Amino acid sequence: EIVLTQSPDFQSVTPKEKVTITCRASQSVGDRLHWYQQKPGQSPKVLIKYASQSFAGVPSRFSGSGSGTDFTLTINSLEAEDAATYYCHQSHILPITFGQGTRLEIK
Amino acid sequence: EVHLVESGGGLVQPGGSLTLSCAASGFTFSTYWMHWVRQPAGKGLVWVSRISKDGTTTYADFVKDRFTTSRDNAKNTLYLQMNSLRDEDTAVYYCASYDTSGYYYYYWGKGTLVTVAS
Repeated sequence: EIVLTQSPDFQSVTPKEKVTITCRASQSVGDRLHWYQQKPGQSPKVLIKYASQSFAGVPSRFSGSGSGTDFTLTINSLEAEDAATYYCHQSHILPITFGQGTRLEIK
Repeated sequence: EVHLVESGGGLVQPGGSLTLSCAASGFTFSTYWMHWVRQPAGKGLVWVSRISKDGTTTYADFVKDRFTTSRDNAKNTLYLQMNSLRDEDTAVYYCASYDTSGYYYYYWGKGTLVTVAS
């Protein structure tokens, strides 16, 4: 099983700050690494697919990078609405696995 | 617009059984692989199972031989039959599907809560 380890587990940040969340895989997942945002009481929503591909409708302040085992989700100029838990997910090898999540609190 | 609506959750005793349903609409259900993902309260996402368009299933090790995933393409419905339930199966269960263009979860239901307790 591929273990995805996110860092940090929790971060308290101020608006307009830049945030970087990392996801490290226990073995290579190529580019099959995706990022989700989950707000309290809601289902997850995909932000970034295949490590760095963005979606129409997702704010441009969200970006992703990386390949192999090391990946990064960057949020530029954080906004209050970005308070949420963020998860990485690998679809390279079964079983499908998720990172443990990174909770962002907005000060 | 795509909708995935889970139902069938509730309180069940340890060792008991429960069947979840996920009604799909707004897309051609029969052409999508479907998944179950669960989330214990306050914890992270955990993949449970998947089913191919034609019914081939794959399970996480912790539910093998206890859970069965099936689908009825004529009814646009996904199922999760859960037997021998344990306390640790308590979670919100989501049905989800990959997008047509890749192996990431694009569509999610709102989830249904399963509580296993005596």
